[in-house]
This record gives sequence, structure tokens and C-alpha cells, in this order.
Amino acid sequence: DQQVKQNSPSLSVQEGRISILNCDYTNSMFDYFLWYKKYPAEGPTFLISISSIKDKNEDGRFTVFLNKSAKHLSLHIVPSQPGDSAVYFCAGRPYGGSQGNLIFGKGTKLSVKP
Amino acid sequence: DTAVSQTPKYLVTQMGNDKSIKCEQNLGHDTMYWYKQDSKKFLKIMFSYNNKELIINETVPNRFSPKSPDKAHLNLHINSLELGDSAVYFCASSQDRGKAFFGQGTRLTVV
Repeated sequence: DQQVKQNSPSLSVQEGRISILNCDYTNSMFDYFLWYKKYPAEGPTFLISISSIKDKNEDGRFTVFLNKSAKHLSLHIVPSQPGDSAVYFCAGRPYGGSQGNLIFGKGTKLSVKP
Repeated sequence: DTAVSQTPKYLVTQMGNDKSIKCEQNLGHDTMYWYKQDSKKFLKIMFSYNNKELIINETVPNRFSPKSPDKAHLNLHINSLELGDSAVYFCASSQDRGKAFFGQGTRLTVV
């Protein structure tokens, strides 16, 4: 039973354009959502998060949007750079849990072409 | 100066063996975790542990046990290894309400 779903296994974008990575969740048990980035043979690294009471959080080139009624969030990367090529994981933190107690999606592999 | 480090990075072993994976964090965090990334690429939490409480994901077989000699270490012991235990195991740590930091992963292959 996948509680966090990333339905696109891969995404290819041209350098300089916008990358949009999508994530859906199946219930309202999460109080925080996080995006992690993972390069091959490395562990996931934290990218950006959003509280369930917000609808947008921005950090430099990265913006996360949350649509609670649709149970959907998205990560926008503008402009995309070749160094952004990695697997991006969406994760939800259950209410009352510590930040490391996360439920992850399956990941989306982003390729940014020069 | 790695924040969360795991050893070994690769581990190949035979079925039925007992093995351990070590994890250390130098961030002073209170809580540590073990995650498993299976062949389908799902990252699933196995354990979370701080000095007060061990929380075990109910789907984890009791052949897996975390051992914490001190606040900076959380080792993973696996008894009677099975083929299905082959996966990448990630250690992580966080300070309460802080974001989680992950180690580089240990790729376990059971043959």
C-alpha cells in the first residue's frame, strides 16, 4: 500500500528549462513533506520541505507547491542545470514523528541535458 | 568529515551467515534510523532509535536488530541472512524536528 506515490519514474529536461516533479499521497496523515535528492552510490540529501499548513515554499531555484485538496505536491526547479540530474524522492512525515521517520515515494530520475 | 558514515559500503555474504553494518554520526543528533531500499527502489524505514525509545517497523523480521552502544552509533545486526535481505541499507540521523541526514548506504548481497 503506497502512501506516497511518484508515478513518473523518469523525466528528461533541457538545461535552462523548468523541471516539474510530481508526488501524490493517499491520506492526510502527514504534517510535513520533504524532497530528497540522490546521486548514484550516495545517500539521499535533503533538498526542501513544506509544512502541511502551507501551500508554497521556495529556496533559490527550488520551489515546492502543496495542494492539500488534491493530495498532491510538486517540486519545481528553475532553471534546471546538468548537476540537478539525480533521483528525487518525495517523502511524508507522519504526524508526531521525528523528521527522519519518513515514508518515501519510489523516486523520479531527472536527467537535465546540456 | 562525513556527517553520517556507514561501513562497509559493500558486503557480499552467503545465506545463513550473521553480519553487522556499522553507522556513526558526528552531528550530535538524538535520533538515528535504519532504512532499507529494496530491488523496487522503495526506501522504507526499519527502525528509529533515540536514547529513550526504539521503534520498530512491524514488517521487519526479528532477525534484524539495532544495537546502539552510545548516542553516536547505531549498528544493524542481521542473523541467518536470506536471499531476500539483499538490498541497500541506509543509516540516517536527525535532531528532533530537524531534517534527516543519510549515510552513503551499504549494498548487501546475499548469495
